[in-house]
Amino acid sequence: RKEVEQDPGPFNVPEGATVAFNCTYSNSASQSFFWYRQDCRKEPKLLMSVYSSGNEDGRFTAQLNRASQYISLLIRDSKLSDSATYLCVVEKGGSQGNLIFGKGTKLSVKP
Amino acid sequence: DGGITQSPKYLFRKEGQNVTLSCEQNLNHDAMYWYRQDPGQGLRLIYYSQIVNDFQKGDIAEGYSVSREKKESFPLTVTSAQKNPTAFYLCASSIYNSPLHFGNGTRLTVT
Repeated sequence: RKEVEQDPGPFNVPEGATVAFNCTYSNSASQSFFWYRQDCRKEPKLLMSVYSSGNEDGRFTAQLNRASQYISLLIRDSKLSDSATYLCVVEKGGSQGNLIFGKGTKLSVKP
Repeated sequence: DGGITQSPKYLFRKEGQNVTLSCEQNLNHDAMYWYRQDPGQGLRLIYYSQIVNDFQKGDIAEGYSVSREKKESFPLTVTSAQKNPTAFYLCASSIYNSPLHFGNGTRLTVT
């Protein structure tokens, strides 16, 4: 299993659709998990941290399954402005602050 | 406003020349990082520093050098030993065990 692996994408969805991104990680010692958003030719920006109990921020819901070493991001009622690449980020177990980035999944939301 | 500033935004150099990328932060973060991003690839860690006057190699440190003489500054030198230097370079900072904040990146083209 790769250190961090994401759906290859791209995802092309209509406005208003619900879209789910999946991510698996290999190191069971990892403790911190994040979703970042990266617009074309821009820097990544933190979308949300992922907590064991699952967390929600408006239209966005993140979940963590430690047993399966799996993280998900759900976007409800997608907007045109959600079009971006979504990066799954996992802390390298045993190395505080050292993060492993997935290759990202590109989302295009169409009118 | 607090943030991370990378300069320049675009940089062009001839093969065989060393080049230094600037990264300054006024967030009072202890940790700073340099990543490289190639098209269609995830971010890869070049070097990181958890404290002034100390830094560690990341996954792809060969052909790069850094210094951390001040908390606010973490410049990256791309040396002529780096075989494929053309890339998007991202600097980031964080406080302990918290998500990364990124600068807006430097696009380096070496011909």
